[in-house]
Amino acid sequence: NAGVTQTPKFQVLKTGQSMTLQCAQDMNHEYMSWYRQDPGMGLRLIHYSVGAGITDQGEVPNGYNVSRSTTEDFPLRLLSAAPSQTSVYFCASFSGLLVLSYNEQFFGPGTRLTVL
Amino acid sequence: AQKVTQAQTEISVVEKEDVTLDCVYETRDTTYYLFWYKQPPSGELVFLIRRNSFDEQNEISGRYSWNFQKSTSSFNFTITASQVVDSAVYFCALSEASGGANSKLTFGKGITLSVRP
Repeated sequence: NAGVTQTPKFQVLKTGQSMTLQCAQDMNHEYMSWYRQDPGMGLRLIHYSVGAGITDQGEVPNGYNVSRSTTEDFPLRLLSAAPSQTSVYFCASFSGLLVLSYNEQFFGPGTRLTVL
Repeated sequence: AQKVTQAQTEISVVEKEDVTLDCVYETRDTTYYLFWYKQPPSGELVFLIRRNSFDEQNEISGRYSWNFQKSTSSFNFTITASQVVDSAVYFCALSEASGGANSKLTFGKGITLSVRP
């Protein structure tokens, strides 16, 4: 298993450009999430999905879109990048109900995005 | 709304010292889950432990131990005989069990631990 993969690892954008951060997992996990990490802020939830075709907003969703057409993929789209979106982005996946089994959220390696 | 507070921002210790990282949480749910993650300088997030709200047993794993106390809403993490390799940012996180919340973690702001040789 490759686990959770994210591409690209690094990206520099100009203000107003659009791009998609890719996230894929090969563990057949139902739940997937996107977080952003900023200095001194911890990780904050952007969007999450509880299954294919189902997404919802997290704590900081503005400026980001997501879709979940397959179980494996959960791309994050920036439609018009802004300097405030400079951050490290982590994708995570999770197999199911925490109460049923010992489980954890698997995090991807992160994408470091700079918006000039 | 759920909240995680890590009041310590930076801790510096000398190798072999014991160090405790504090975590205080707030939630209205009666069923919830608490986590600790380690983020070494390389940047990846490493899962350390998950604890259920209905299991208040303390846990020990090698040099690591965790003290969960519902009465004070705390889930503290102790490293015994710290080593340089323990230098990292440590995050405490909370997940509520209701609805789709299983996929949502609320993180504290993290504690930067520096272990000096």
